[in-house]
Amino acid sequence: SQQGEEDPQALSIQEGENATMNCSYKTSINNLQWYRQNSGRGLVHLILIRSNEREKHSGRLRVTLDTSKKSSSLLITASRAADTASYFCATDAAGRRALTFGSGTRLQVQP
Amino acid sequence: DAGVIQSPRHEVTEMGQEVTLRCKPISGHNSLFWYRQTMMRGLELLIYFNNNVPIDDSGMPEDRFSAKMPNASFSTLKIQPSEPRDSAVYFCASSDSTGVNEQFFGPGTRLTVL
Repeated sequence: SQQGEEDPQALSIQEGENATMNCSYKTSINNLQWYRQNSGRGLVHLILIRSNEREKHSGRLRVTLDTSKKSSSLLITASRAADTASYFCATDAAGRRALTFGSGTRLQVQP
Repeated sequence: DAGVIQSPRHEVTEMGQEVTLRCKPISGHNSLFWYRQTMMRGLELLIYFNNNVPIDDSGMPEDRFSAKMPNASFSTLKIQPSEPRDSAVYFCASSDSTGVNEQFFGPGTRLTVL
């Protein structure tokens, strides 16, 4: 079953704008990761944040984690048409390496 | 490295037939995961192996599903008999259990059961 929800379910923005996606989860976690999925393709890992971290950056990506609220956000700055994809958060728990995925956000970046 | 390899990429079969999905993980990875993706249920774990041993099969829907990992470089997911509700995209992923849990996904097998 899905760990939690992501919002928004769908997001449409113009190229150059920032895109923010949020993820909530239900149980204690070890790590939280964000993955990207292009239509008809497999998932690609973007970034991982550990439960004792609050913020992490990678290129145009910024991830925050609030364990007290059991939530995370992914910010993509200066979006490009090539960022169009579905984005999923995924969590794992101590002693359990299998990932539990959120419901995903479909991002459309208009050129 | 070629990444995680799955075959076939597409499978169309009739209800009641046996289906076998195959996966070759990334060389050196010792954890292997099978996930299923549907519109209704999203992405969900079916089973995962560590060092070829099944660790968690709680996501396997029922006895019609079975998975094996006879060696470090090969795994199969079998459905017998298949049913229309098994139609989904099945993903295999692998990771190195000694490091952070970044998982590398294959391209998936799109299964359609008529």
